[in-house]
Amino acid sequence: GAVVSQHPSWVICKSGTSVKIECRSLDFQATTMFWYRQFPKQSLMLMATSNEGSKATYEQGVEKDKFLINHASLTLSTLTVTSAHPEDSSFYICSAILAGNRLGDEQFFGPGTRLTVL
Amino acid sequence: AQSVTQPDIHITVSEGASLELRCNYSYGATPYLFWYVQSPGQGLQLLLKYFSGDTLVQGIKGFEAEFKRSQSSFNLRKPSVHWSDAAEYFCAVGSNRDDKIIFGKGTRLHILP
Repeated sequence: GAVVSQHPSWVICKSGTSVKIECRSLDFQATTMFWYRQFPKQSLMLMATSNEGSKATYEQGVEKDKFLINHASLTLSTLTVTSAHPEDSSFYICSAILAGNRLGDEQFFGPGTRLTVL
Repeated sequence: AQSVTQPDIHITVSEGASLELRCNYSYGATPYLFWYVQSPGQGLQLLLKYFSGDTLVQGIKGFEAEFKRSQSSFNLRKPSVHWSDAAEYFCAVGSNRDDKIIFGKGTRLHILP
């Protein structure tokens, strides 16, 4: 149980275009999802917290107009990288918390999406 | 502010040998502590977690970790590693204040045949 999927698993796009990444909790409801960015050989950096039915909360230094997050249902959150540039190339990972879990409990992670901007 | 330090970027051990991966945290109150493993092409998988109670925590795949408050540490151990244990290991800290988890920089484990 507690499986999180991401789509696509990898994407290559041209500079200036927008890319949407989906994060789905397949067998559970998730009121809260997280989006992380991971650079090669580095740790996961939290970008934003996504709550179903409300605006996402972005971490300091993350441009909310560039990284649009929508959490329209209890099983789906999307991250749209707008006007992508080569420096946006990275590994994007989402995670989800089981609805009803205590604060700070474990997160269930998706397999990640590799974005390459040419 | 919470922080997590994993002092070892790379660790190499022989198959069958014991393993200890170090993790130190900084947090004002009692932390929630996690160890995750990341294998290529797969999402992060939780190995074990500590919230309270017994400071020696048993996890999946034969891993265990011990919470030592006096040393602010939560080291991961395994008595005998297998080649399939080669992966990136992340220590993480959370709290009961919110749902955020802070990750360490990770330790890459290499296994010699």
